[in-house]
Amino acid sequence: EAEVAQSPRYKITEKSQAVAFWCDPISGHATLYWYRQILGQGPELLVQFQDESVVDDSQLPKDRFSAERLKGVDSTLKIQPAELGDSAMYLCASRSASGGEYQETQYFGPGTRLLVL
Amino acid sequence: KQEVTQIPAALSVPEGENLVLNCSFTDSAIYNLQWFRQDPGKGLTSLLLIQSSQREQTSGRLNASLDKSSGRSTLYIAASQPGDSATYLCAVSGDTGGFKTIFGAGTRLFVKA
Repeated sequence: EAEVAQSPRYKITEKSQAVAFWCDPISGHATLYWYRQILGQGPELLVQFQDESVVDDSQLPKDRFSAERLKGVDSTLKIQPAELGDSAMYLCASRSASGGEYQETQYFGPGTRLLVL
Repeated sequence: KQEVTQIPAALSVPEGENLVLNCSFTDSAIYNLQWFRQDPGKGLTSLLLIQSSQREQTSGRLNASLDKSSGRSTLYIAASQPGDSATYLCAVSGDTGGFKTIFGAGTRLFVKA
């Protein structure tokens, strides 16, 4: 069964350092999401791509976060510089566009757990 | 602004018990509602998706209902098992200020053997 791949699974960094996370969605899924999940809370959307275009990045802290999906396939989320409050699980999800927004579920990857010291 | 609330925040039950998890949302203009399962330190797995025109969905021992007008959904788990122990998240998708999926904080379920 096809899965969303993410790497690394765990990342420990010091504040002010740069970190990058990678996501490979399910083949053929045009929509890709990056979420941040703080312990004990639900995921919050950071950025949504449709193919290579950003559809929604209204909740992305653009002074330090950036995301790209250059060829409309895999994606990278970067934080520079990292702050203590960025410690969280970063989840990637993808969705097929064939059924429309209302019918198709999102498939989530295993996440990258970030700890900023 | 859409807000999703899940009650209770945590629940502990003995094996074999039937249980109900609750989800409420403030804006009834949704396209669908989903229930997800999350094991500790893992990603989310979709359990059930209910479109706004539907009232319920069933999968095995799971049954989810949706009352869009009152802004409520329930997830019913029959004959609970220790393997059901996980966090269950409710999420609504709608077009309030752009199409978005908003998640609740989840209900952490522990089923005792």
